[in-house]
Amino acid sequence: NAGVTQTPKFRILKIGQSMTLQCTQDMNHNYMYWYRQDPGMGLKLIYYSVGAGITDKGEVPNGYNVSRSTTEDFPLRLELAAPSQTSVYFCASRSDATPLHFGNGTRLTVT
Amino acid sequence: DAKTTQPPSMDCAEGRAANLPCNHSTISGNEYVYWYRQIHSQGPQYIIHGLKNNETNEMASLIITEDRKSSTLILPHATLRDTAVYYCIVRGTLYNNNDMRFGAGTRLTVKP
Repeated sequence: NAGVTQTPKFRILKIGQSMTLQCTQDMNHNYMYWYRQDPGMGLKLIYYSVGAGITDKGEVPNGYNVSRSTTEDFPLRLELAAPSQTSVYFCASRSDATPLHFGNGTRLTVT
Repeated sequence: DAKTTQPPSMDCAEGRAANLPCNHSTISGNEYVYWYRQIHSQGPQYIIHGLKNNETNEMASLIITEDRKSSTLILPHATLRDTAVYYCIVRGTLYNNNDMRFGAGTRLTVKP
């Protein structure tokens, strides 16, 4: 099993551009999460999903959108990138019986 | 907001036990306490979890108070590789049982 895979690893965006951060897991986990981590800070929950077709907002959802059309994939969309969205983004998944498994992160810089 | 409170930083001498506290005074009866750690900028790694009994695995021990309002993660013989940020979270919140929110964690520095 590859676990949780995030792509890309690094990205630089210009203000106003859009992009999609990809996250896929091969563990058949129902629950998936997106977090952001600003330098020197803890993780903030952006969005999460309890299964295909179901998503919900976390602590800091503004400026982001998500979809969950399959169990495996949970992409995070930035429509109009802003410098405040410069951060490291982590995707995670779990089942009812397992703890969170994290990906290796996507480092995004908006200039 | 996260439902746990942890000291921002702690130091520990190499080879000694590291005891990391966590307060979760609003925990409900069916909520578990989970501990994760994050080394450098990697994705957080699961360490241990518990409901009300003390737990031990190959990485650490978890001591939960009888009233469940606080817990302590114990690394019995800390090494330099244990230097990391340690997060204590409860699985679920008062409002929703499925979101999992992290606080700022405790930055543990193990010194030679």
